[in-house]
Amino acid sequence: TQLLEQSPQFLSIQEGENLTVYCNSSSVFSSLQWYRQEPGEGPVLLVTVVTGGEVKKLKRLTFQFGDARKDSSLHITAAQPGDTGLYLCAALNQAGTALIFGKGTTLSVSS
Amino acid sequence: DTAVSQTPKYLVTQMGNDKSIKCEQNLGHDTMYWYKQDSKKFLKIMFSYNNKELIINETVPNRFSPKSPDKAHLNLHINSLELGDSAVYFCASSYQSPGTSGASSQYFGPGTRLTVL
Repeated sequence: TQLLEQSPQFLSIQEGENLTVYCNSSSVFSSLQWYRQEPGEGPVLLVTVVTGGEVKKLKRLTFQFGDARKDSSLHITAAQPGDTGLYLCAALNQAGTALIFGKGTTLSVSS
Repeated sequence: DTAVSQTPKYLVTQMGNDKSIKCEQNLGHDTMYWYKQDSKKFLKIMFSYNNKELIINETVPNRFSPKSPDKAHLNLHINSLELGDSAVYFCASSYQSPGTSGASSQYFGPGTRLTVL
């Protein structure tokens, strides 16, 4: 069974701090996605990484795909209250028919 | 200009009842999905439709019956509701089926919070 393990499960920090969220698996993926979900809304795609070792930046967010394409990280610099939400990593299942999701990291940034 | 819309937003009902959730997307996408998010926020695929045809049914009880009258709509009917069906149900769409060209970008609706009493 393919699993995406996310850590930490919960993270509560002060505005201005840096943080890293991890998504790990024993399976190799052709690509990996990160979504952010705010309370009462659906997940919104942040990024798709496809190449081993790839690094993508989205303003203060930096996404990295592991060299072996089994893991990924999301680093946020100088977190702001607007970054609060549930961060989900996702990848195609082995059959290539559907996305599987990690259990998410709930981030709370207080001012 | 809502891309993926769902109705209702909230649904509270008694065990044993039958209910439906509707979903519409105006993005011109070919593929639509239903996901279930449990109380621990775990999001799991239930069904996937491509051009009105079912392509995935992920071991969901047959009390759940999706229907796609056209490419822009995917409704979910649930018979004989049980306590364990309480969850947030998300509809989503993508331009292509997953795997056609890697993991396609999925656009999610705002969710329907179903509470079974």
